Amino acid sequence: SQQGEEDPQALSIQEGENATMNCSYKTSINNLQWYRQNSGRGLVHLILIRSNEREKHSGRLRVTLDTSKKSSSLLITASRAADTASYFCATGSSGTYKYIFGTGTRLKVLA
Amino acid sequence: NAGVTQTPKFQVLKTGQSMTLQCAQDMNHNSMYWYRQDPGMGLRLIYYSASEGTTDKGEVPNGYNVSRLNKREFSLRLESAAPSQTSVYFCASRGSGTGVETQYFGPGTRLLVL
Repeated sequence: SQQGEEDPQALSIQEGENATMNCSYKTSINNLQWYRQNSGRGLVHLILIRSNEREKHSGRLRVTLDTSKKSSSLLITASRAADTASYFCATGSSGTYKYIFGTGTRLKVLA
Repeated sequence: NAGVTQTPKFQVLKTGQSMTLQCAQDMNHNSMYWYRQDPGMGLRLIYYSASEGTTDKGEVPNGYNVSRLNKREFSLRLESAAPSQTSVYFCASRGSGTGVETQYFGPGTRLLVL
């Protein structure tokens, strides 16, 4: 079964607006990562947040993590048409090499 | 530095045929992974190899076998393909040690089983 569930499943916004997507997971984690997948391509790593961190920034990306609620959010500010892609969260746990991916959010940014 | 490469890019099989998907990485990573992605779904782990010489089952291993040929290469074999194995297959690799959790993905192999 999937560890991560993301919502919304799909999101359509205008260029320049902010996009927020959420990820919930079920068990204790060591870290949570966000990946982007452009249509027909492999996944590309965006940002990682560790279980002892609450917020992290990278360029126009802001990730938050609430371990008490077992949830994370990814905010993309000032979105661009090039941000159109699917976004996935992936959780890693201590003592395991396995990563569990969420079902993804399909983001469409309209020019 | 090519990163993670996968062959073939596309493949059509008939039910019952066998094939091997190849994956290679040139980043000297210890861990390698095989995932499948079905329409509208995230990635599901088939098998992984934490280091050369070891392999372990993931979430959906049935119908697949793997070989970690050496540190660079990790192959996925379908012995008797079924229509349910129609999917896009991604290989990934990861380094080792604290702070090296990022996975690097190949471009994928699109498999259609008729």
